[in-house]
Amino acid sequence: IAGITQAPTSQILAAGRRMTLRCTQDMRHNAMYWYRQDLGLGLRLIHYSNTAGTTGKGEVPDGYSVSRANTDDFPLTLASAVPSQTSVYFCASSGVAGYNEQFFGPGTRLTVL
Amino acid sequence: RKEVEQDPGPFNVPEGATVAFNCTYSNSASQSFFWYRQDCRKEPKLLMSVYSSGNEDGRFTAQLNRASQYISLLIRDSKLSDSATYLCVVSGSGYSTLTFGKGTMLLVSP
Repeated sequence: IAGITQAPTSQILAAGRRMTLRCTQDMRHNAMYWYRQDLGLGLRLIHYSNTAGTTGKGEVPDGYSVSRANTDDFPLTLASAVPSQTSVYFCASSGVAGYNEQFFGPGTRLTVL
Repeated sequence: RKEVEQDPGPFNVPEGATVAFNCTYSNSASQSFFWYRQDCRKEPKLLMSVYSSGNEDGRFTAQLNRASQYISLLIRDSKLSDSATYLCVVSGSGYSTLTFGKGTMLLVSP
């Protein structure tokens, strides 16, 4: 079934550790996104990629990095995790950035202790 | 004015009721509008797109008012399974992406 997969489903991480959240889509969408969702704050955009080979910063990029080596994959890396990065992380994709509807993965629940 | 504003609710309604949500947006140049549904911290899922002429999908009707910069969602004959958070989504932010409202919570009771 076409869609977006994320891994891991959940993770408990010690502060200071490095962590990469994986995201893969098989819809051949050009654009991909990473959001975090915290209670009361809604979805906040971390980084985005309009097409393979390009990335951009969203609303809350500090402490996170991304890469887009190919169309399908868009990993999110926390170089040195801090407790404030405890959140639910959603990856999404869309055919065209900014206009088409976005389709979301199931999310990764990350706890940083 | 925030880019996308929604009443957080919750809206408590009995089964069978009709309920409506509004959402206002600040960017008059926005071209794309959507309603998403999110269940209990699961991923948001597209409910319906919103077209200029208004559109209907079963019990759900979406309307767009460009002059007043708001979109609406009407749910008729509410079901228990409609209980969720409904996110208003608008194009045209500065990040080449969509802007999501914080959502309106709907609770449908027996």
